Amino acid sequence: DVKVTQSSRYLVKRTGEKVFLECVQDMDHENMFWYRQDPGLGLRLIYFSYDVKMKEKGDIPEGYSVSREKKERFSLILESASTNQTSMYLCASRGQIMQYFGPGTRLTVT
Amino acid sequence: SQQGEEDPQALSIQEGENATMNCSYKTSINNLQWYRQNSGRGLVHLILIRSNEREKHSGRLRVTLDTSKKSSSLLITASRAADTASYFCATAGGGAQKLVFGQGTRLTINP
Repeated sequence: DVKVTQSSRYLVKRTGEKVFLECVQDMDHENMFWYRQDPGLGLRLIYFSYDVKMKEKGDIPEGYSVSREKKERFSLILESASTNQTSMYLCASRGQIMQYFGPGTRLTVT
Repeated sequence: SQQGEEDPQALSIQEGENATMNCSYKTSINNLQWYRQNSGRGLVHLILIRSNEREKHSGRLRVTLDTSKKSSSLLITASRAADTASYFCATAGGGAQKLVFGQGTRLTINP
């Protein structure tokens, strides 16, 4: 069965902290994605990766970076967390056509 | 950039009734997909319709696509309490690996 896991369901960090959100997929997919979801704004693409060590900016990359050292793992990094980065973060990997999502990480920055 | 616009933003119906949600988009697409999200969880793929298809069925789901109007609809027949969720349309353009999601419709089924 297809599985995408995220390292934390809930996370509380302080302003200025460096934050790592981890995502792992077990389907040998090449494409992986990070979204943030906010009320009234739907899902917005932050970054995606189409191969190991390859990445492309999405619609809202500012304040974020990513790392993909292994095919199964895609990390989202908040270099210096700010309160406007409080959100639900969703990771996905892409098979032939459809995307498979992790359960999400609800990040609160205080 | 948000391509999909969904209508209505929220829908509340009685169990057993049919629920219809609409999605409009702006540019040409290869396919359009619908996803469901239960409260506070990740999204789950429901159904995909390709640009050369007009209608598709899967169980109690019926999706239509009108490329001339750049719109799609998702019909859930004989709704159940377990159908309560948010529903998102997502479009895939030519050669693009990424999807562009709409803002979603929040569906509530009342028992």
